[in-house]
Amino acid sequence: EAQVTQNPRYLITVTGKKLTVTCSQNMNHEYMSWYRQDPGLGLRQIYYSMNVEVTDKGDVPEGYKVSRKEKRNFPLILESPSPNQTSLYFCASSLQGPEKLFFGSGTQLSVL
Amino acid sequence: GESVGLHLPTLSVQEGDNSIINCAYSNSASDYFIWYKQESGKGPQFIIDIRSNMDKRQGQRVTVLLNKTVKHLSLQIAATQPGDSAVYFCAEIDPGAGSYQLTFGKGTKLSVIP
Repeated sequence: EAQVTQNPRYLITVTGKKLTVTCSQNMNHEYMSWYRQDPGLGLRQIYYSMNVEVTDKGDVPEGYKVSRKEKRNFPLILESPSPNQTSLYFCASSLQGPEKLFFGSGTQLSVL
Repeated sequence: GESVGLHLPTLSVQEGDNSIINCAYSNSASDYFIWYKQESGKGPQFIIDIRSNMDKRQGQRVTVLLNKTVKHLSLQIAATQPGDSAVYFCAEIDPGAGSYQLTFGKGTKLSVIP
């Protein structure tokens, strides 16, 4: 089954404790991206990747890192999480570019 | 339409009626538009798209209309069903604003009354 898999589904952590949210797709898609979703603000892009070893900032990249060492994986790294990063995070992928994105099920992150 | 503040605009329709969800976009340079559906507890799901050289595009039970003059996009759902209850987002791509950036609207919540 074609899918984008994010882990974990829920995560509660404390300020400053490094964490990684994993994202994997099995569709051989070139394009992958991360979004955060907050009430009243909608979906905002954090980072995106056009292909392996190619990443670029979205609208709200501060406090986040990403890497794209393999085509299928695009982890989101929070080196020192802060409470304002409490949000619902979505990973998405598509064949090329942000058209017809396939989204994962989301990761609800709470930073205390 | 688009939301202001923390509350999403809500549209309530009777099962079997047609639904029209509206979206106003601000960037006249955007040339590609997409509608996504997000059910509770799930990620957004692609519904239909349209390029700026078209006014209308039809899918299965859904139609997207684009009016570039007033920068307005609408999604029409025919014979609305309970499974259509969700939040609907429009999204736009401006090819000049960094080639792969996608901007989402804030969403409209559709509730279908059985």
